[in-house]
Amino acid sequence: GAVVSQHPSRVICKSGTSVKIECRSLDFQATTMFWYRQFPKKSLMLMATSNEGSKATYEQGVEKDKFLINHASLTLSTLTVTSAHPEDSSFYICSAIPDPTHSNQPQHFGDGTRLSIL
Amino acid sequence: AQKITQTQPGMFVQEKEAVTLDCTYDTSDQSYGLFWYKQPSSGEMIFLIYQGSYDEQNATEGRYSLNFQKARKSANLVISASQLGDSAMYFCAMREGVPGGGNKLTFGTGTQLKVEL
Repeated sequence: GAVVSQHPSRVICKSGTSVKIECRSLDFQATTMFWYRQFPKKSLMLMATSNEGSKATYEQGVEKDKFLINHASLTLSTLTVTSAHPEDSSFYICSAIPDPTHSNQPQHFGDGTRLSIL
Repeated sequence: AQKITQTQPGMFVQEKEAVTLDCTYDTSDQSYGLFWYKQPSSGEMIFLIYQGSYDEQNATEGRYSLNFQKARKSANLVISASQLGDSAMYFCAMREGVPGGGNKLTFGTGTQLKVEL
């Protein structure tokens, strides 16, 4: 159980393109999802917390207008990288918690999206 | 200050041997949780084991165990009987605050484990 699906797994596109990444919780409802960015051989950096039905909470230094997050349903959050440039190339990965009221619940991660901007 | 510190960027272990991956943390919260994740080269994050700050016993999950020393603020992962498939990046992470009150994870810099024949 607790499966998180992320799509697409890989994107290669031209500079200036906007790219949408989807994160779905397949067998549970997720009022909260998390979006991370990971550079090669580096740690995961939390970008934002996606909240169903309300605005996302962004971490310090993350551009809200560059990384648009929408959490329109209890099973889907999307991250749109707007007008992407080569410096936005990275590995983006989402996660969700089946029951955030229980402190021992781990975040379950999608398989990630490798974004390459040419 | 770093909240999660993993001082071993890389570790080697021979197949069937045990290995310990170090993790120290810094928090002023009384209630927190510590997690270990495995990330193979394919990129997915696989949850391995959890230790709560109030748990009196060290967590165990199959070949994984957590050496939790609260006073020293360390939560080292022990992998017993290493297998070639254990070769991966391992991340220690901490969740601070009360349940439902954020649930954000802070990750360490990771340890790249290589299991050799």
